[in-house]
Amino acid sequence: GAGVSQSPSNKVTEKGKDVELRCDPISGHTALYWYRQSLGQGLEFLIYFQGNSAPDKSGLPSDRFSAERTGGSVSTLTIQRTQQEDSAVYLCASSLAGQEDEQFFGPGTRLTVL
Amino acid sequence: SQQGEEDPQALSIQEGENATMNCSYKTSINNLQWYRQNSGRGLVHLILIRSNEREKHSGRLRVTLDTSKKSSSLLITASRAADTASYFCATPPFSGGYNKLIFGAGTRLAVHP
Repeated sequence: GAGVSQSPSNKVTEKGKDVELRCDPISGHTALYWYRQSLGQGLEFLIYFQGNSAPDKSGLPSDRFSAERTGGSVSTLTIQRTQQEDSAVYLCASSLAGQEDEQFFGPGTRLTVL
Repeated sequence: SQQGEEDPQALSIQEGENATMNCSYKTSINNLQWYRQNSGRGLVHLILIRSNEREKHSGRLRVTLDTSKKSSSLLITASRAADTASYFCATPPFSGGYNKLIFGAGTRLAVHP
């Protein structure tokens, strides 16, 4: 596809369960970002991947959150032992190296923790 | 923490009217970007203005930047119902590096037919 894709589009889970969210960036984009958007709020940066460099994890809210990017392409955001406050839309974005001023966003995954 | 603060939080206008949204930020910037979000999902990049620019146009969009006041405005002229969305300003860290964007809370625009 031409754009960033994310799956699932919606995820409902019970408190305490683990969830995995997937992001497929635009082909050729070496930079990948995860953001979180709580209801009615702006986006909150979570983590950034650029090529083979160590990721910037400075935005992850707790050690229950982790992310991987395999083969420099697909990324998975994992939330362990989910809590109700984790309910949000999780957005992934990608950009070209050196053109990180413009990020292309996916449609997001709406996570609801009951 | 938020860098940009949009004003107003919500704006309701009639089709054909102009819509003006403002963004204030706290620290020095290299550039400022505006994004649109429909129905609380994916964001669409609208326009980027660099710190050495004062005004930029793209179709019906006009963005201004005043670095002395640490503020920017987004003007949508001749609005349409399809412009109904939330609009966010965002800035990358001035110190450079990864350009992880810092977003404001957004302005919710409703354009009524």
